[in-house]
Amino acid sequence: QQPVQSPQAVILREGEDAVINCSSSKALYSVHWYRQKHGEAPVFLMILLKGGEQKGHEKISASFNEKKQQSSLYLTASQLSYSGTYFCGTEKGAGGTSYGKLTFGQGTILTVHP
Amino acid sequence: ETGVTQTPRHLVMGMTNKKSLKCEQHLGHNAMYWYKQSAKKPLELMFVYNFKEQTENNSVPSRFSPECPNSSHLFLHLHTLQPEDSALYLCASSQPSGGSVRELFFGEGSRLTVL
Repeated sequence: QQPVQSPQAVILREGEDAVINCSSSKALYSVHWYRQKHGEAPVFLMILLKGGEQKGHEKISASFNEKKQQSSLYLTASQLSYSGTYFCGTEKGAGGTSYGKLTFGQGTILTVHP
Repeated sequence: ETGVTQTPRHLVMGMTNKKSLKCEQHLGHNAMYWYKQSAKKPLELMFVYNFKEQTENNSVPSRFSPECPNSSHLFLHLHTLQPEDSALYLCASSQPSGGSVRELFFGEGSRLTVL
């Protein structure tokens, strides 16, 4: 089952903040965040692992609530370059049949205006 | 070359044609993936290969046939496709850690149109 992202779209002015959420109905091992600009490949932003390990982008932060199976991506002081579609990808618990497979949400379109 | 390279970038084929998509990664990774990206739909996982062995077939119709001759190359063979198969096909690679997925590196995709 794919994770659910909210909101579906966000419009910001430069310098404003945004939060994108990702929820799953299943126990998760990891949550990934990617950004895709129009006509380009998705680019890795952040990975959050069960147990608290994180790896990612300098100017973007994220949280992972293991009990609620939810992750949030925090975009602060947005820049024009932040525009694109943000996808969360989830990997289910270790040892199950979904281990090693990343399932993506439907995406959140972020538009930053000058 | 660096990263993940996909060819062709654009492909138009008839329903009776046979064609192949190619993916090559220069990152030394041992896992490769095919994803399908249709308009207004999430990225759909199709196939996963770990160390050249197929570890996932996400209920993909048999008209899509993957091939992974080595850890650097991945193919998707296409035959008797349907118009609804028109989509962007993305290849990705990663270096698995303990069987889990780490950062995916995506190619720019092959845009397929089936007439």
